Amino acid sequence: NAGVTQTPKFQVLKTGQSMTLQCAQDMNHNSMYWYRQDPGMGLRLIYYSASEGTTDKGEVPNGYNVSRLNKREFSLRLESAAPSQTSVYFCASSDPAGRGYTFGSGTRLTVV
Amino acid sequence: GESVGLHLPTLSVQEGDNSIINCAYSNSASDYFIWYKQESGKGPQFIIDIRSNMDKRQGQRVTVLLNKTVKHLSLQIAATQPGDSAVYFCAEIRHNAGNMLTFGGGTRLMVKP
Repeated sequence: NAGVTQTPKFQVLKTGQSMTLQCAQDMNHNSMYWYRQDPGMGLRLIYYSASEGTTDKGEVPNGYNVSRLNKREFSLRLESAAPSQTSVYFCASSDPAGRGYTFGSGTRLTVV
Repeated sequence: GESVGLHLPTLSVQEGDNSIINCAYSNSASDYFIWYKQESGKGPQFIIDIRSNMDKRQGQRVTVLLNKTVKHLSLQIAATQPGDSAVYFCAEIRHNAGNMLTFGGGTRLMVKP
């Protein structure tokens, strides 16, 4: 089925470890996004990529890096994980006008 | 700061009744608004959207109303069903801000059988 695919679904890290969250979309969308969601709260934008080859900071970028590998794939990297980064991470994509905004099923990350 | 928020954190309704979920926003520059439904352990699922130049939009069993005068958005669900139980978020998009979605804090809808 068409949509946004994220891997892994669950991850436990120790403080200071690094990891990369993967995201791919097959809807030919230009724009891709990474959000985090803390318990009982709405999503907050970490980084976004308006098109292949460009990335920009969102609301909460500190502690993260991103790579827009190609039109389909947008990865999120934590270089040195901290407990404050324990959250659920969602990838999304849309067309340039924001239509068809679609989310993946999320990655639940716990940093101990 | 500018934000999108919700009046009620939880809403409990009887199956078959209509539900109304409210949302206040503070940024008059928002281009359009989306309502999302999020079930436990899943990502937000698009329900309905409305552009800032519209007052009302209807979908299947859902209606979104936009009152720009008081910066208020509502989602009406007709004949609420148990499968409607979820957390509902409103979100705004500003196209001059990279299409970033700004979410409210969410309202949990509980449908009693």
